[in-house]
Amino acid sequence: AQTVTQSQPEMSVQEAETVTLSCTYDTSENNYYLFWYKQPPSRQMILVIRQEAYKQQNATENRFSVNFQKAAKSFSLKISDSQLGDTAMYFCALSRRYKYIFGTGTRLKVLA
Amino acid sequence: EPEVTQTPSHQVTQMGQEVILRCVPISNHLYFYWYRQILGQKVEFLVSFYNNEISEKSEIFDDQFSVERPDGSNFTLKIRSTKLEDSAMYFCASSPDRANSYEQYFGPGTRLTVT
Repeated sequence: AQTVTQSQPEMSVQEAETVTLSCTYDTSENNYYLFWYKQPPSRQMILVIRQEAYKQQNATENRFSVNFQKAAKSFSLKISDSQLGDTAMYFCALSRRYKYIFGTGTRLKVLA
Repeated sequence: EPEVTQTPSHQVTQMGQEVILRCVPISNHLYFYWYRQILGQKVEFLVSFYNNEISEKSEIFDDQFSVERPDGSNFTLKIRSTKLEDSAMYFCASSPDRANSYEQYFGPGTRLTVT
């Protein structure tokens, strides 16, 4: 069975600081993608960053970067220079063909 | 930039009524999906659809649910007789060809409230 685990239900960080959200997963497939989605109070799902499993290089998107450890099946999200607008629920997701499997989410609060 | 759209944004219905949630996927996409998120919980897969057939469905997707692509642009989710526990956010998603089916593009969601 494929699973995604986010062990931090809630986190907080001071504005301008750096925070890391954890995600571990389990899959027997070789080809898959991993994603981080942001869900603000509007509940829309906003793609933050994605990582192809066959790429060793960690993905980065401006202030967002990942630490992808394939052997350990770990996929953490680092947010640098945190902003108040980063306050949201963050979901890690594993994509196998035709289906996403989501983690339970981490509620991040950025403090002024 | 093309995007997935969903209507309505919020639907309120009475228990036992039928509802149809509508989605317009990105125009050249071939794979379509529905997900559900009960308030405060994670997003859960319901069903995937390709070539006018269901590709995969979860245990949540029972006989009360059905999907249809009635024309070349819409993709619908029907719930025949709604229950209180069907209250949730429903997300539609689509993805392009088989080689790129790993990445899905999500719509903004429809909030369904069953009273």
